[in-house]
Amino acid sequence: GAGVSQSPSNKVTEKGKDVELRCDPISGHTALYWYRQRLGQGLEFLIYFQGNSAPDKSGLPSDRFSAERTGESVSTLTIQRTQQEDSAVYLCASSSTGGFGQPQHFGDGTRLSIL
Amino acid sequence: DAKTTQPPSMDCAEGRAANLPCNHSTISGNEYVYWYRQIHSQGPQYIIHGLKNNETNEMASLIITEDRKSSTLILPHATLRDTAVYYCIVRAGAGSYQLTFGKGTKLSVIP
Repeated sequence: GAGVSQSPSNKVTEKGKDVELRCDPISGHTALYWYRQRLGQGLEFLIYFQGNSAPDKSGLPSDRFSAERTGESVSTLTIQRTQQEDSAVYLCASSSTGGFGQPQHFGDGTRLSIL
Repeated sequence: DAKTTQPPSMDCAEGRAANLPCNHSTISGNEYVYWYRQIHSQGPQYIIHGLKNNETNEMASLIITEDRKSSTLILPHATLRDTAVYYCIVRAGAGSYQLTFGKGTKLSVIP
């Protein structure tokens, strides 16, 4: 079946511009996660959505970062006034529930490059 | 979540079984063992997970020792496409949804 889909796969933009990244989770998955992965580094948690509950935004690095999710479907991650340190791969994952017994399934990410 | 220890790299001949070890000596009773892998320029891929019993799926087998302090991921017939970094993760209960990858094991499958 269809996996997690992210778009665009690559994004190059100038410093100071806003960018919007999109994630389509696996159909029926109620939990959705955003992570950031800098070159050669591990995963950095950004935000977690579970159903209609308030999202856990504790990983967002600054107020330039925000994310939304419509119901249990598409999510968008927005970065305003981009900085060079925002360059990274942004990964989205979904799981059937947010329970610890449920694995997270990842998309291939959006590679963001800030010039 | 409990810390895991994996060898930094391993080689495996194509067609042979790849056995990737993981130590998690501080694991607690409610923590699952998860395995993911990441192939260059792709997102992490879920492989398998287990709590106490050995598990098998279409990708791999997971062998967990009786004391749960270590586990082994087995790829029964490694192919060149299995070359990747493999991560062993131990996750606790509700609230521990944030995945944290360590250094992992770089598996190289050799023709």
